[in-house]
Amino acid sequence: AQSVTQPDIHITVSEGASLELRCNYSYGATPYLFWYVQSPGQGLQLLLKYFSGDTLVQGIKGFEAEFKRSQSSFNLRKPSVHWSDAAEYFCAVGVGTGGFKTIFGAGTRLFVKA
Amino acid sequence: DTGVSQNPRHKITKRGQNVTFRCDPISEHNRLYWYRQTLGQGPEFLTYFQNEAQLEKSRLLSDRFSAERPKGSFSTLEIQRTEQGDSAMYLCASSRGFDSNQPQHFGDGTRLSIL
Repeated sequence: AQSVTQPDIHITVSEGASLELRCNYSYGATPYLFWYVQSPGQGLQLLLKYFSGDTLVQGIKGFEAEFKRSQSSFNLRKPSVHWSDAAEYFCAVGVGTGGFKTIFGAGTRLFVKA
Repeated sequence: DTGVSQNPRHKITKRGQNVTFRCDPISEHNRLYWYRQTLGQGPEFLTYFQNEAQLEKSRLLSDRFSAERPKGSFSTLEIQRTEQGDSAMYLCASSRGFDSNQPQHFGDGTRLSIL
């Protein structure tokens, strides 16, 4: 069955420190992979996506993610976290024909301390 | 690009009542999706439209749930005989094109609370 696992329910980092959010997926075919961010009471905003090609993808707000097929992982990174990055982050995989059905992980809440 | 619009933002109703939510996608987006999100969880896929055709429905979408997208524009999600377990955030998203190379744009959701 298709699934997405985000092992960390919440993470706290200091402002200016680096960040890595982990994501593992389970899907038999070539995955479409996404990272979304959600602020409280709002919808989701796409940070970046991977469909094919270069396994290191750049996104908005200085985020990047690396696809590792051998590890079934798609970890999100940012070299220097800002207080405004505090939010919930969701990893997702697109499945089905054309990847139209998106399966989300349970999310990782990021706290940023001054 | 005015974004995906969902109404109402909040809905409080008594158990057993019917509720209807509306989603206005970004114009010219031919794909529309409904998701349900409960506290502490990621969104769960409910259903998906390509233009006016409903192409996929999740097992989560019981007989009490019905979604429509007349004329391939806005969509409505109706829940009949609401239950406590229906309390959640209902998210709508839309995308352009016929493959997932186009990202889904999400609305801010409708939060449903069942008393």
